Amino acid sequence: SQQGEEDPQALSIQEGENATMNCSYKTSINNLQWYRQNSGRGLVHLILIRSNEREKHSGRLRVTLDTSKKSSSLLITASRAADTASYFCATDTDTGFQKLVFGTGTRLLVSP
Amino acid sequence: DGGITQSPKYLFRKEGQNVTLSCEQNLNHDAMYWYRQDPGQGLRLIYYSQIVNDFQKGDIAEGYSVSREKKESFPLTVTSAQKNPTAFYLCASSSIAGVGTDTQYFGPGTRLTVL
Repeated sequence: SQQGEEDPQALSIQEGENATMNCSYKTSINNLQWYRQNSGRGLVHLILIRSNEREKHSGRLRVTLDTSKKSSSLLITASRAADTASYFCATDTDTGFQKLVFGTGTRLLVSP
Repeated sequence: DGGITQSPKYLFRKEGQNVTLSCEQNLNHDAMYWYRQDPGQGLRLIYYSQIVNDFQKGDIAEGYSVSREKKESFPLTVTSAQKNPTAFYLCASSSIAGVGTDTQYFGPGTRLTVL
C-alpha cells in the first residue's frame, strides 16, 4: 500500500527558480522523510522531519509538516540543473518496527 | 549509494527461471529491506529483516523469497511464481530495529528484465 501521494506528478522549472512539491498521507506518523532518486539509481536521503516538528531546513531545502492536514511540502530554493530528479516522501507509521511507506514521487526537471 | 552494493546491475531472465539478486552492506546495519519499483511509480516493500535469521513479508511478497544468514547480506530470489517480475529492485538498510526513526540507505539497484 502507498500511503503518500506527491503533488504535482511532474514539475518543470528554470534554473534559479524555486521548486515546491507536496506530499499527503493517510495515517498517523512518527516522522516523514524526503528522498531523491536520479534516473536509474538508488534513493538518497535528503531530510527527516519528526511528527512534533513543523519546519526544518537543510541547505537549500525547506520541509514543512502539518500533521492536522496530514501533509508535507518540500521546497528547493534557487534550483540547479543538477536538482533534476524524482523526489519521494516516505512515512514511518507509529506501529512498531520502522517500515517506510513511499509515495508515488514528483519528477522535477530543471532546465538551464 | 555508499556502503550498499547490489549485483548485477542488469539481469535478464527467461520465463520459468528463478534468479537471485545480491545485496551486501558494510554499514553494520541491523535492518535490511527489498523494494520493487515499477516505471513512474513509488517503491513497494517486498521483504524486510530486522536481525539475522529472521525476516518478514512486506506488501508484495508473493513470488519472492529471501534469506538472512549473515548480517551484511540479504539476497532476494525472484521465483517463477512471480507473474510480472520485470522491474527495478532496490535494497536498503538502516541501523535501527524497533520503534523509532532512522534513515534508510539504498543500493544502486538491479534492473530485472524477463525475456
